[in-house]
Amino acid sequence: GQNIDQPTEMTATEGAIVQINCTYQTSGFNGLFWYQQHAGEAPTFLSYNVLDGLEEKGRFSSFLSRSKGYSYLLLKELQMKDSASYLCAVIPGTYKYIFGTGTRLKVLA
Amino acid sequence: DVKVTQSSRYLVKRTGEKVFLECVQDMDHENMFWYRQDPGLGLRLIYFSYDVKMKEKGDIPEGYSVSREKKERFSLILESASTNQTSMYLCASSFAGFGQETQYFGPGTRLLVL
Repeated sequence: GQNIDQPTEMTATEGAIVQINCTYQTSGFNGLFWYQQHAGEAPTFLSYNVLDGLEEKGRFSSFLSRSKGYSYLLLKELQMKDSASYLCAVIPGTYKYIFGTGTRLKVLA
Repeated sequence: DVKVTQSSRYLVKRTGEKVFLECVQDMDHENMFWYRQDPGLGLRLIYFSYDVKMKEKGDIPEGYSVSREKKERFSLILESASTNQTSMYLCASSFAGFGQETQYFGPGTRLLVL
C-alpha cells in the first residue's frame, strides 16, 4: 500500500527553528511536495524535491533522502504567520499525489 | 498568478439532493483534480481529468461524478447527497508536464449535508 506519515501537531516559539518530518512508503517515486495550508484556506505550494539533498528557499528548506523514504521541512526564524498545517505529498507515478494527513504547527509568542 | 476559483465557499444541502460544485482555472492547465479533506484523513483524490471530456477515478469516487466540457472548468456532482459527504472539497489544477507538475488549489467549498 501507499503510506505517508507526519506528526499530527508541533509547537514552537517565535524566532526558533522547527523541523517537520515526513516518511513515506509508496509503490514508486516521482517527487515529493510540501504545501502550507492556513486554517480555512487553500494549500499553497512551498517546495518540490525529486533528487536527494537540501533545497533552500528563504526561511524554508526541504530535504529528501529517497533511500530512506524520508523528507523534512525546515522553517527558520519562525513567525506567528507560520502557524498553519504543513502537508507532505508524494507522487508515486504520474499526476496523482498521495497526501499525508498534515502537521499542524503552532507558533507561540 | 495562477487562479483557481470555486463556485461557493460554504454550502448547505439536504440528504438526497443533487449537488454541483464548480471549479474554474485561468492558467490553461490540462489537468484538474477534485479532493475532499477530512480531519485525520488528509486530502483524498475523488476524480481527476487530464483533458476535456476525459476523466479518471481517484481513490474515493463512489457517490460522485464529474464533468469537464471545457478546459478551464471541472465540475463535481454529488448525485444524491448523503451526510457522510459532509466535508471540505478542494479543486486543483496543473500543467501536464512529465507527471510531477505542481498542483494549484482553489479556496475550497465547505459542504454540510443535513
